Amino acid sequence: NAGVTQTPKFQVLKTGQSMTLQCAQDMNHNSMYWYRQDPGMGLRLIYYSASEGTTDKGEVPNGYNVSRLNKREFSLRLESAAPSQTSVYFCASSEGAGYTFGSGTRLTVV
Amino acid sequence: AQSVTQPDIHITVSEGASLELRCNYSYGATPYLFWYVQSPGQGLQLLLKYFSGDTLVQGIKGFEAEFKRSQSSFNLRKPSVHWSDAAEYFCAVLPSGTYKYIFGTGTRLKVLA
Repeated sequence: NAGVTQTPKFQVLKTGQSMTLQCAQDMNHNSMYWYRQDPGMGLRLIYYSASEGTTDKGEVPNGYNVSRLNKREFSLRLESAAPSQTSVYFCASSEGAGYTFGSGTRLTVV
Repeated sequence: AQSVTQPDIHITVSEGASLELRCNYSYGATPYLFWYVQSPGQGLQLLLKYFSGDTLVQGIKGFEAEFKRSQSSFNLRKPSVHWSDAAEYFCAVLPSGTYKYIFGTGTRLKVLA
């Protein structure tokens, strides 16, 4: 099925561990995004990539890095996880007419 | 500062009643406007969008929204709510000339049987 695929769906990390969240879309969209969702705070933009080869910081980029590997894939890396990064992470892609979201990654940092 | 406001954190309605969820934005020019719905444990699904033209837009699942430029609002409505509409609803804007969507903090809808 066409859409945005995120892996993994669930992850538990210890403080200081690193991990990469994967995202791939098959809709040939140029723009891709990473958001985090926390209770009472809505969705906050971490990083986005307007097109292949470009990335830009969003509202809450500290503690994260991203790679736009190709047009399909946009990964989010936590180099040294902290409890404050416990959240649900959503990847999305867009061609200007609204987002298509992935189903999310629930990350817990203990 | 640019912002999107959803003033109601929680709304409870009875099944069959009408619904209106409020959204206000503050931007210099009219942005692109969106409403999304998120069921528990799921990602967000696009309900409807407004770019230009007719200020009343129809979406999926029987929802509609009206853009009012004078009030900087884009309220979501449904004439008769179904129990399956219980979810969280997010208003979002895409300012002209940017790639960064801005989301409101969401309104959680509870439907009473």
